[in-house]
Amino acid sequence: EAGVAQSPRYKIIEKRQSVAFWCNPISGHATLYWYQQILGQGPKLLIQFQNNGVVDDSQLPKDRFSAERLKGVDSTLKIQPAKLEDSAVYLCASSLGLLDGDTQYFGPGTRLTVL
Amino acid sequence: KNEVEQSPQNLTAQEGEFITINCSYSVGISALHWLQQHPGGGIVSLFMLSSGKKKHGRLIATINIQEKHSSLHITASHPRDSAVYICAALPNNTDKLIFGTGTRLQVFP
Repeated sequence: EAGVAQSPRYKIIEKRQSVAFWCNPISGHATLYWYQQILGQGPKLLIQFQNNGVVDDSQLPKDRFSAERLKGVDSTLKIQPAKLEDSAVYLCASSLGLLDGDTQYFGPGTRLTVL
Repeated sequence: KNEVEQSPQNLTAQEGEFITINCSYSVGISALHWLQQHPGGGIVSLFMLSSGKKKHGRLIATINIQEKHSSLHITASHPRDSAVYICAALPNNTDKLIFGTGTRLQVFP
């Protein structure tokens, strides 16, 4: 079974530039999560999708971050414009979404460095 | 104070040593995850448990629901076990994980 795919793996940009990350969840997984993990901290949930609908985006900085999952499968996360404090690993995870206790499967992450 | 606390924050060990990482949480949970994160950033789920004990190879995870405490043990540690180990709690009636800040483990040959 293929895992959660993310690209790119690494990205370096200058502040005020834009960047986009892509995630392809495990086939059949209805729930998709985007996390931000700043160095030395645990992951922080940015947004959660159930199929193509947003379940929770309460911690997404909506002035600069946006995410979509138009067809309920893969998803993109965009930052525009980037700030220095956005430097982090962006993790995508997916789960079947049928039960509260469903295991989340994580992708390899995208490490973003903002200069 | 974080709802999920891990200790120690950093841990070094010699190859072959027995390792214990602890996790305490302050909320009622339906499950607790132990995750492994390698330097590249990707996370692998090691265990999800809601009671008792689970074992997989050299890894053992235990949880005491009454005491709100879980431990991850690594027997006969190896340099390839070097990683950050993260405890994540799943509160009741939600699918949103609460993550600890992780324990950075380095195992030297």
